[in-house]
Amino acid sequence: EADIYQTPRYLVIGTGKKITLECSQTMGHDKMYWYQQDPGMELHLIHYSYGVNSTEKGDLSSESTVSRIRTEHFPLTLESARPSHTSQYLCASSELSGSSQRDTQYFGPGTRLTVL
Amino acid sequence: AQSVTQPDIHITVSEGASLELRCNYSYGATPYLFWYVQSPGQGLQLLLKYFSGDTLVQGIKGFEAEFKRSQSSFNLRKPSVHWSDAAEYFCAVDRDGGTSYGKLTFGQGTILTVHP
Repeated sequence: EADIYQTPRYLVIGTGKKITLECSQTMGHDKMYWYQQDPGMELHLIHYSYGVNSTEKGDLSSESTVSRIRTEHFPLTLESARPSHTSQYLCASSELSGSSQRDTQYFGPGTRLTVL
Repeated sequence: AQSVTQPDIHITVSEGASLELRCNYSYGATPYLFWYVQSPGQGLQLLLKYFSGDTLVQGIKGFEAEFKRSQSSFNLRKPSVHWSDAAEYFCAVDRDGGTSYGKLTFGQGTILTVHP
């Protein structure tokens, strides 16, 4: 299993503040992902990266941005937080596995963001 | 487009009873399927996965799942539920075949409540 770390675990912040959610993994995985999850709902992919200097937007439109300067680090930034950004943000990374060489995603513990 | 349906939003079982959580997928090619579990306030933990081969796959914590192509299903089962199994369970499918780059489509989740 991969070791994926997210900080902070919980964040309560006022409208208009700039925030960065940290995500790091120690397994050297090239592929990393950010998901947004509202309570009781499924996960929606908002960003992904296939490697250093590679970032793409996911299925759900998001005002957040990401960067991938180092393999192990995939931070997510909101320039100006709003109450609509209140959600849980989950980071994941994946590795190829099995004889079929398919990706398996491993998740961090998540950051629960509340914007007042 | 690929989709995953978990028909049961909430299931309640007694401790020691058997469990089956349903998952149906819509996918044109050979699906690669996953079950994850999420405890409150936590990230997702991989329970098991199906890539190919034996259609009955074993996972962690005593869970198993059976892939049935004819029914487009990948139901999760456990013969005897423990109180610690109370959580939310997500079924997911790897999309886009060989060009998926590991992206997953998730179902809406099934919340499992265990009564003593």
